[in-house]
Amino acid sequence: DAGITQSPRHKVTETGTPVTLRCHQTENHRYMYWYRQDPGHGLRLIHYSYGVKDTDKGEVSDGYSVSRSKTEDFLLTLESATSSQTSVYFCAIKAGEGDNYGYTFGSGTRLTVV
Amino acid sequence: AQKITQTQPGMFVQEKEAVTLDCTYDTSDPSYGLFWYKQPSSGEMIFLIYQGSYDQQNATEGRYSLNFQKARKSANLVISASQLGDSAMYFCAMREVAAGNKLTFGGGTRVLVKP
Repeated sequence: DAGITQSPRHKVTETGTPVTLRCHQTENHRYMYWYRQDPGHGLRLIHYSYGVKDTDKGEVSDGYSVSRSKTEDFLLTLESATSSQTSVYFCAIKAGEGDNYGYTFGSGTRLTVV
Repeated sequence: AQKITQTQPGMFVQEKEAVTLDCTYDTSDPSYGLFWYKQPSSGEMIFLIYQGSYDQQNATEGRYSLNFQKARKSANLVISASQLGDSAMYFCAMREVAAGNKLTFGGGTRVLVKP
């Protein structure tokens, strides 16, 4: 399995402050994704990346931005955190280029905006 | 429209019995993949099984099998001989190649295995 690490694991922040979550992989996988998980909604895609500096929006991208300046790191930024962004955030990578490769998920970041 | 629909929010199953979790999908992409993930109470996402849209046979992985009915756009997960450790949330997900390999999830089904 590809190594994938999310940091921090837990964070409490105040409304209106900027927050950056980091996803780090130890292999050179091209595709990386950020999801949020809320009760009753499953996992919803925020942003994804298909290479360095190549990113695109998912279904719930408002209020979030991403950056990928290196293959191994995919950063998710909440420019001005709101209480509606309290959630569990998962990073995922597609573990290969072929159709038969699956997706590996990080352990998640629990973010609370107060 | 929902791309992935899981109509069973929760279900109970007796230990050692089989359980079927429903999943229907909607796509016009001829090349897609269907995944099932398990999320125990600890929160990690655990890959269970994969079915490609061009695969002729239903996928199987140990006690997990995927009942793939392409014309009906369904990809139900069957767990045989349920164990107490199978109690978890189960998510169906679809990858569409034409959509940048994005993985779209259903809302999940919570399974509770009773002893």
